[in-house]
Amino acid sequence: GAVVSQHPSWVICKSGTSVKIECRSLDFQATTMFWYRQFPKQSLMLMATSNEGSKATYEQGVEKDKFLINHASLTLSTLTVTSAHPEDSSFYICSARDPGLAGGRNEQFFGPGTRLTVL
Amino acid sequence: LAKTTQPISMDSYEGQEVNITCSHNNIATNDYITWYQQFPSQGPRFIIQGYKTKVTNEVASLFIPADRKSSTLSLPRVSLSDTAVYYCLVGATNAGKSTFGDGTTLTVKP
Repeated sequence: GAVVSQHPSWVICKSGTSVKIECRSLDFQATTMFWYRQFPKQSLMLMATSNEGSKATYEQGVEKDKFLINHASLTLSTLTVTSAHPEDSSFYICSARDPGLAGGRNEQFFGPGTRLTVL
Repeated sequence: LAKTTQPISMDSYEGQEVNITCSHNNIATNDYITWYQQFPSQGPRFIIQGYKTKVTNEVASLFIPADRKSSTLSLPRVSLSDTAVYYCLVGATNAGKSTFGDGTTLTVKP
């Protein structure tokens, strides 16, 4: 099946610094990727839809200037958490759909997630 | 986006069949129903997807009644390793976004 990777798998940073998380589709091209955030014991919350070659679409309440998304190629989307603060500590997960799936299948393939801890 | 409702938690024992039902009253004509499994500190993993009637794969079955306002994920003979959170998602098109509900925490006991 389609594989999505994320890097790094975990990161610890100081408050005020910026952190970049990469999401790659390894064996398919993804014109659209999705970024989620998940706090402990909670469900995944969609942050934004990353569109290749254009601006990301952010969900209501998500600060686009704080969570910068770049989708420069068909296999790579990056999420940069700018001026991170302790409340940004969370599990960040990306996903993508494989447009080449047959039979109308449209499931999302998720990355393994990135654990961000801001001190 | 169609909203989904699932039981918050379920308990079962090894070897039993587990059925998790999801309600999605506002499902649209072109929406598919997809179930994911998530272990702690991991990304969700695809289990099964369907549009209507019954779908079966090597790990689960998905039952969808004619009105498609609900669906039931059936896990045969669960083991301890099936302890996880299970999410039901409803969404359409290859590029469309999906919204996660609260999920069902399944705990399998020995």
